[in-house]
Amino acid sequence: AQTVTQSQPEMSVQEAETVTLSCTYDTSESDYYLFWYKQPPSRQMILVIRQEAYKQQNATENRFSVNFQKAAKSFSLKISDSQLGDAAMYFCAFPGKGAQKLVFGQGTRLTINP
Amino acid sequence: DGGITQSPKYLFRKEGQNVTLSCEQNLNHDAMYWYRQDPGQGLRLIYYSQIVNDFQKGDIAEGYSVSREKKESFPLTVTSAQKNPTAFYLCASSPIGGARAGGYTFGSGTRLTVV
Repeated sequence: AQTVTQSQPEMSVQEAETVTLSCTYDTSESDYYLFWYKQPPSRQMILVIRQEAYKQQNATENRFSVNFQKAAKSFSLKISDSQLGDAAMYFCAFPGKGAQKLVFGQGTRLTINP
Repeated sequence: DGGITQSPKYLFRKEGQNVTLSCEQNLNHDAMYWYRQDPGQGLRLIYYSQIVNDFQKGDIAEGYSVSREKKESFPLTVTSAQKNPTAFYLCASSPIGGARAGGYTFGSGTRLTVV
């Protein structure tokens, strides 16, 4: 079965500090991307970052970066210099069987303390 | 600007009624998806469609129906057979292969409440 697990239902961090959100997955696909989505209070889903599984270099988008450990099937998201606007639900996702749809984790609610 | 429009934003359903949630996209995407979001359960796939006049059941299709008569439109009907329909519903679209590489574009969602 294609599964994805986010083991941290809630996280909090002080403004300007760094926080890491964890995600593990299980897939039989051989060529795929992994995704992190952000859902702020508006509930609009926004793509934060994606990582190609065949690339060894971890993806980076400004303050957001990933730590991709393919052998361990781990895909964590690091947010540096946390800002109040980063407060949101964060979901990791990867392609389900046949790569015709995305499977999402349960989400991590991130709170930023001023 | 291209995007996905879901309507209505809020919807109230009486017990035993069918209701239809609208999803329209002008991104020229071939694939469209419906997800249900409940607290603590993430997003669960209801139905998806890769091409006009064809669609597949997701993980929680019971009590729901869809149609895909036009590329731009993928309406979701919540039938009276759905025992617990109160949830937030998200529609998404992607090019073919978007789940493997490009990811989805999401609508802004519909909050359905049974009254």
